[in-house]
Amino acid sequence: GIQVEQSPPDLILQEGANSTLRCNFSDSVNNLQWFHQNPWGQLINLFYIPSGTKQNGRLSATTVATERYSLLYISSSQTTDSGVYFCAVELRSGGSNYKLTFGKGTLLTVNP
Amino acid sequence: DAGITQSPRHKVTETGTPVTLRCHQTENHRYMYWYRQDPGHGLRLIHYSYGVKDTDKGEVSDGYSVSRSKTEDFLLTLESATSSQTSVYFCAISDYAGANVLTFGAGSRLTVL
Repeated sequence: GIQVEQSPPDLILQEGANSTLRCNFSDSVNNLQWFHQNPWGQLINLFYIPSGTKQNGRLSATTVATERYSLLYISSSQTTDSGVYFCAVELRSGGSNYKLTFGKGTLLTVNP
Repeated sequence: DAGITQSPRHKVTETGTPVTLRCHQTENHRYMYWYRQDPGHGLRLIHYSYGVKDTDKGEVSDGYSVSRSKTEDFLLTLESATSSQTSVYFCAISDYAGANVLTFGAGSRLTVL
């Protein structure tokens, strides 16, 4: 199956710093999403971004499908950004796949 | 949680007992999924459904069965729970309107002693 690797596995920041999280995947995909899991366990969909660039407030994401990677940028980080960030992809295939494969996540800690 | 309810939210049970987790949605979405989350593994797909009575296996389906008798409910059953099934279980839904964008429930924490 498709492999999804996220880096770094852990990241510690001071409030106000910027960061870049990376997601590499091993095959062509037609779907890529970024999720944030807060310290209480809730999973929130941040971006649906199979290609191109999107921005939502202090967060932005870029996917370069031809090179099989995606980046999540967090600017001016806040303590509420703490949690685990997951990348998930859906394999491009002849028919519908329906299944998203998740990376193992990046644990972000933002200290005040 | 966008109209997704998981029950129970917490359960402690003993090895060998049957367990059923329920996912209920009010969004009328066609696709429903069960994932498990374990330290070091991220989220792994157990089973999914693409319509009433239409289900298929994910990557970690052994020891689990599912049923979907109506659009709004997707049940995950552990016929005989084992300690390796101690995990947090997440249900997700998608209407697949052009893209498979998932919305997750709050999760169910299961401990098998």
